[in-house]
Amino acid sequence: NAGVMQNPRHLVRRRGQEARLRCSPMKGHSHVYWYRQLPEEGLKFMVYLQKENIIDESGMPKERFSAEFPKEGPSILRIQQVVRGDSAAYFCASSFSGATNTEAFFGQGTRLTVV
Amino acid sequence: DQQVKQNSPSLSVQEGRISILNCDYTNSMFDYFLWYKKYPAEGPTFLISISSIKDKNEDGRFTVFLNKSAKHLSLHIVPSQPGDSAVYFCAASARIQGAQKLVFGQGTRLTINP
Repeated sequence: NAGVMQNPRHLVRRRGQEARLRCSPMKGHSHVYWYRQLPEEGLKFMVYLQKENIIDESGMPKERFSAEFPKEGPSILRIQQVVRGDSAAYFCASSFSGATNTEAFFGQGTRLTVV
Repeated sequence: DQQVKQNSPSLSVQEGRISILNCDYTNSMFDYFLWYKKYPAEGPTFLISISSIKDKNEDGRFTVFLNKSAKHLSLHIVPSQPGDSAVYFCAASARIQGAQKLVFGQGTRLTINP
């Protein structure tokens, strides 16, 4: 399997709980991007990571949201104390390099529902 | 501030005809442009791209045109097929403050009618 893998595909959390979304990039890719898609809206950039480093987190809310991409293992997007407004589809993408002429390949997304 | 805009939220085209999806951008630092296709409940899949040094790139039924002076690009699909029905996202890429930014438009829902 050479694709970007995200899990879980669907996640239901009660308000106040924590949500953890995982992303395994394509083999050989060391650049990971997280995007959020709210209902009826486009993809909004959240954070860009390269192994063990956060390169750009300008699209991520300052509170409750964090992301990591450890040396070993998948990238994790963590949302603490979830609220109803966090309900969305979260997509992860990976690319081989950080060059601008590089395509990013997306996973199938995690659909988070906060009840 | 929406740097990449797709002003048509939806488009309906007859099977066999040409579909033209449009995209405008505001940031002149963007130097690479991509189109992604998305089916419901799936992630976006890469379709075609174009570098800012070119004005046209063709791949089978898909052609992307770039007009740098107008900051406009378009995706042409000909002939359109029912399987092309999906949401199409335009994206623009630039290296901003040391990091690659891939900025997406809001998407256009294309429906191909048999």
